[in-house]
Amino acid sequence: AQSVAQPEDQVNVAEGNPLTVKCTYSVSGNPYLFWYVQYPNRGLQFLLKYITGDNLVKGSYGFEAEFNKSQTSFHLKKPSALVSDSALYFCAVRDDNYGQNFVFGPGTRLSVLP
Amino acid sequence: DTAVSQTPKYLVTQMGNDKSIKCEQNLGHDTMYWYKQDSKKFLKIMFSYNNKELIINETVPNRFSPKSPDKAHLNLHINSLELGDSAVYFCASSQVESGEAFFGQGTRLTVV
Repeated sequence: AQSVAQPEDQVNVAEGNPLTVKCTYSVSGNPYLFWYVQYPNRGLQFLLKYITGDNLVKGSYGFEAEFNKSQTSFHLKKPSALVSDSALYFCAVRDDNYGQNFVFGPGTRLSVLP
Repeated sequence: DTAVSQTPKYLVTQMGNDKSIKCEQNLGHDTMYWYKQDSKKFLKIMFSYNNKELIINETVPNRFSPKSPDKAHLNLHINSLELGDSAVYFCASSQVESGEAFFGQGTRLTVV
């Protein structure tokens, strides 16, 4: 079965500094990988995806993610964090062996400190 | 226009009641989902429909019954509500070719 791990429950970073939110995955077959963000009392907003192609994927709000097949990782990055980036971030993999189910990691809470 | 909309946003009800949550998507997607987010924020699939056909039916109590009257709608009916059903329920839709899923704003269900 597909699975996603986010090893950090919480990431703290100072405003203006680069941020990284880590994600590793386990899939059979080609991975379809996604990052979502959830603000308080809101739904999940899509940030970016890796389906195929370049390992560095650019997404919304200045976020990017690097797909690393050998390390089975898909870390989310941003060169300069904003206080408004503070939210809950989810990494997900789509399981095409089970009805295109999106399997989510446990989430990482990002706090950007002014 | 909201891509995936679900109603109501908040639902407070007593144990034993029956309630429904409605979901509609205007994206033309073939696949729709219901996810449950628990108090620890874990997201878990409950059901998935593709073109009105049930594809995924996770191990949830049979008090939960999804209904898809057409490709754009997927409703969730819950019978005999229990305290443990309190959670946030998210509807989502996707198209295989495009990849990502789009989520509704969630329905916070509180059973008292």
